[in-house]
Amino acid sequence: ETGVTQSPTHLIKTRGQQVTLRCSSQSGHNTVSWYQQALGQGPQFIFQYYREEENGRGNFPPRFSGLQFPNYSSELNVNALELDDSALYLCASSFDGEQYFGPGTRLTVT
Amino acid sequence: AQKITQTQPGMFVQEKEAVTLDCTYDTSDQSYGLFWYKQPSSGEMIFLIYQGSYDEQNATEGRYSLNFQKARKSANLVISASQLGDSAMYFCAMREGQGQGAQKLVFGQGTRLTINP
Repeated sequence: ETGVTQSPTHLIKTRGQQVTLRCSSQSGHNTVSWYQQALGQGPQFIFQYYREEENGRGNFPPRFSGLQFPNYSSELNVNALELDDSALYLCASSFDGEQYFGPGTRLTVT
Repeated sequence: AQKITQTQPGMFVQEKEAVTLDCTYDTSDQSYGLFWYKQPSSGEMIFLIYQGSYDEQNATEGRYSLNFQKARKSANLVISASQLGDSAMYFCAMREGQGQGAQKLVFGQGTRLTINP
């Protein structure tokens, strides 16, 4: 059984640029959630996708957007990057509640 | 809104001792789930243990047990016989929402556990 994978591992972007982060869910999981974890903080919920539809959103601006594909993999897109967007971005997949996390993508905005 | 509080920013424990990490929660939901995750320096969130709000028995998973006191709204993690590899950040989280898909996790601020040899 393949676990949750994320790419890239690390990323450095300049303020104002756009970024796309990718997540492959665990086999059989139809729900993907994205979290942002700033340094020294607990993860904060960004949004969740269930069967290709957004199904819940946290307190993040519209420049954070996402997609889920028919194979249940997912993308997180962030436009107009700001310095405060520097964080570890975690993806979690689930089927019936329990969420399994990927290794994360560490984004640095300079 | 649900809230998770972890009051111990850091804990230092001798190897082989037991350690308790505190977690209190606040919710108006009758049905909820409580989780503990371990996050090593690599960043990956590793699931440790789960307790449902209607579970009458405290959850156990190997060396991990969850001391669930519903009336006090606490869900403390107990690690028995600590090992050097237990050194990591530990997060308590609550599942918010009902039904397929409509669930998110609310996390506490975390506790950094250091096991000394």
